[in-house]
This record gives sequence, C-alpha cells and structure tokens, in this order.
Amino acid sequence: AQKITQTQPGMFVQEKEAVTLDCTYDTSDPSYGLFWYKQPSSGEMIFLIYQGSYDQQNATEGRYSLNFQKARKSANLVISASQLGDSAMYFCAMRERTGFQKLVFGTGTRLLVSP
Amino acid sequence: SAVISQKPSRDICQRGTSLTIQCQVDSQVTMMFWYRQQPGQSLTLIATANQGSEATYESGFVIDKFPISRPNLTFSTLTVSNMSPEDSSIYLCSVENSDRQVSYEQYFGPGTRLTVT
Repeated sequence: AQKITQTQPGMFVQEKEAVTLDCTYDTSDPSYGLFWYKQPSSGEMIFLIYQGSYDQQNATEGRYSLNFQKARKSANLVISASQLGDSAMYFCAMRERTGFQKLVFGTGTRLLVSP
Repeated sequence: SAVISQKPSRDICQRGTSLTIQCQVDSQVTMMFWYRQQPGQSLTLIATANQGSEATYESGFVIDKFPISRPNLTFSTLTVSNMSPEDSSIYLCSVENSDRQVSYEQYFGPGTRLTVT
C-alpha cells in the first residue's frame, strides 16, 4: 500500500528566504508520481509541481523545485525566495501508476512566512 | 491544465437535509474524483466517477450517503444525503490531465465548504 509522510506540522520562514518542506513515501510500485499542492485559507487545492519516478531530473516550476531522492524515497519541496503569499498548507501526494491507483495525500505542513 | 468550477462554493445546511454539489470541467475528461477534507485534516477520496458507469466508492463511503452522477465527460454531481454535523467538510472535485502520455497531473476545483448545523 502506498503511504505518504509529512513530519513537519508547521514551518516558519522569513520573507525572501528559502524553505524546504519534507515528504517521504513508501511504495513497492516502481512506477509512480509525486505531487505537491498548496492550499490557502480559501480552501482551494493549487497544483504546484509533479515528479515522475522515472524522470531523470528534479522537477522545477518557477520558485518551486522538488528535491527527488529516489533511493531515500523522499520528495522534498523547496520554495526559494519566500513571499508572504506563500503562507498556506502544503500537501505532498503520491499516485502509483500500476493499474488504477488513487492519489494519496500526506497530512500536510502549514507554512508561515513572516515579514 | 483543466479549469474546474464547483457550485455552490459554500453552504450552511440543517441536519437531515441533502445538498447536491456540481462540478464542471472546461474539457472532456475520463475520470472525475470527489474528495472530502474534514476540518484540520488531509484529503480523503470518496469515489471515482466514470462517464456511463456507476461510481466506484472507497472504503467507508457508500452510494446511499454520497450518490454521484456523471451524465457526460465534463460534468458530475455529488450529493451529501441526510446530513449530520460530521459531514461538515470541504468537498473537492478533481480531474486528471486528459493526456496521460503528457503527464499525470491532477487538478482540483475550488471546493465546496459545507457546514451542517
């Protein structure tokens, strides 16, 4: 069974600093995808970044990058140059690709960016 | 990416009543997903809705409580029936990128924030 672990319930960072949000996963499927979502207080789930298990390079999207360490089964999200608007809940999720598998979420990390 | 809209965005309902949530996508998609997020919790999949077939429900969710319709490839509804305060949650509709050869990205609607009194 697939499993996602986010061990940081909350993180604090100062504006313009970089921050890393941790995510580890467990799966026996060699083919899977890893996702990060941002959920502001409004409740919407905003897709940030995706990493496939066979992708050779770490995914990047603007200020977001995914530090993918396959052997360690970790997929940490790095946010560079934090902004006040980055304050939100961040969820890591995974979906195995063999057969139909659902997207499974971690418990989330609340990020607070201070001026 | 797909653009997903949901109606209503929020509602306050009395226990024992039912609420139907609508999800509209701007492109045709094979599978649509309904998630629940209880207060302070992560997201849990309720069911998967394919056009032209019965929805597939996850463990702990039943059709009598959460009937789903999927009349076409761009629209789905989720009904929360006989509501109790424990049903107070955000309900989110989600779709996959329609071209799996491109990516497996999955997108969410803005959510429906339901409060049951």
